[in-house]
Amino acid sequence: DAKTTQPPSMDCAEGRAANLPCNHSTISGNEYVYWYRQIHSQGPQYIIHGLKNNETNEMASLIITEDRKSSTLILPHATLRDTAVYYCIVRVGGGNAGNMLTFGGGTRLMVKP
Amino acid sequence: GAVVSQHPSWVICKSGTSVKIECRSLDFQATTMFWYRQFPKQSLMLMATSNEGSKATYEQGVEKDKFLINHASLTLSTLTVTSAHPEDSSFYICSAQGLLGGYTFGSGTRLTVV
Repeated sequence: DAKTTQPPSMDCAEGRAANLPCNHSTISGNEYVYWYRQIHSQGPQYIIHGLKNNETNEMASLIITEDRKSSTLILPHATLRDTAVYYCIVRVGGGNAGNMLTFGGGTRLMVKP
Repeated sequence: GAVVSQHPSWVICKSGTSVKIECRSLDFQATTMFWYRQFPKQSLMLMATSNEGSKATYEQGVEKDKFLINHASLTLSTLTVTSAHPEDSSFYICSAQGLLGGYTFGSGTRLTVV
């Protein structure tokens, strides 16, 4: 699976949009971009994933560049409860059993009042 | 949505004893389950991958005789830490993969060996 690069930490003001970048310059054509987050002392929580089109759900939006070498996770109105470590993961999608998720360092997002 | 129950959420045990951690998929069948370990301020590290009814595949550097994994059904996998030592103290997390490929994580187990 392609390696990802994320800034180690970011701050965001409560109520503002949080934009978390991720570089995945070696991504392959059949690899999806997944985002998970981990709130302190909990298991990771799925946020969103995409292949090449921008995606939006109730939690966030995912913007993938046209060349697919980078992406941005957007939390439109960050709250204090969004403080967590956010992981960007690239892997082959679909129902391929046994393809594990490989976690990098992630970005520690701190939402401040 | 898919739910994975992991139990216990925390455990303290004496050095030399064994501890069993359970991971259950409550509303879906998990063809594959993954076990991760996470030390403080570090990322999740995959320990092993298990498929129902077959032996687990361990990552390099993970002792299979120390970390026993059983995946006897499509909804239950267990991780047993045998002869635990203080250096085994960590946060253990399971993840279950359903038939459509999605991953759901348990809430984690904090193991403290004293």
